Amino acid sequence: EAQVTQNPRYLITVTGKKLTVTCSQNMNHEYMSWYRQDPGLGLRQIYYSMNVEVTDKGDVPEGYKVSRKEKRNFPLILESPSPNQTSLYFCASSLMGTAKTPLHFGNGTRLTVT
Amino acid sequence: DQQVKQNSPSLSVQEGRISILNCDYTNSMFDYFLWYKKYPAEGPTFLISISSIKDKNEDGRFTVFLNKSAKHLSLHIVPSQPGDSAVYFCAASKPTGNQFYFGTGTSLTVIP
Repeated sequence: EAQVTQNPRYLITVTGKKLTVTCSQNMNHEYMSWYRQDPGLGLRQIYYSMNVEVTDKGDVPEGYKVSRKEKRNFPLILESPSPNQTSLYFCASSLMGTAKTPLHFGNGTRLTVT
Repeated sequence: DQQVKQNSPSLSVQEGRISILNCDYTNSMFDYFLWYKKYPAEGPTFLISISSIKDKNEDGRFTVFLNKSAKHLSLHIVPSQPGDSAVYFCAASKPTGNQFYFGTGTSLTVIP
């Protein structure tokens, strides 16, 4: 089944403790991206990647890192999480990263930073 | 700065009637628009899209209308069904297409 898989689904952590949220897709998509969803703000793009070893900042990249060493994986790294990073995170992929190839989303990771 | 806005956080409609969800945008560089549907505990799924060279696109019960001069688009669902109850996000993209800008979402409830 074609899918984008995120892990974990739920994560509670403390301020400053490094964490990684994994994202994997099995559709051989070139483009991958991370979003966060917050009440009243919708989905905001954190980082995106057009291909292996090519990453770029979205609208809200501060406090996050990403890497794209393999085509299928695009982990999101929070080196020193803070409470304002408490949010619902979505990973997404698309065939070519153009608007005409819609995004496929994972089921989300709900992160709480205390 | 929210470049894509959905000013109605929620909408309730009777089953069988028309649902109209609205979206406004501010950036005239946007040339492609998409609607996504999201159920609880799932990620958004693509529903329908429209290019700025068109003013209407139809797919079954779903039609999207684009008014470029007003920087406004709308999603019409006819007839509405209880399974359409979900949060709907409007999104926009520029010609480069590698960044997508989402609205805040409208929660649609279709009452049986």
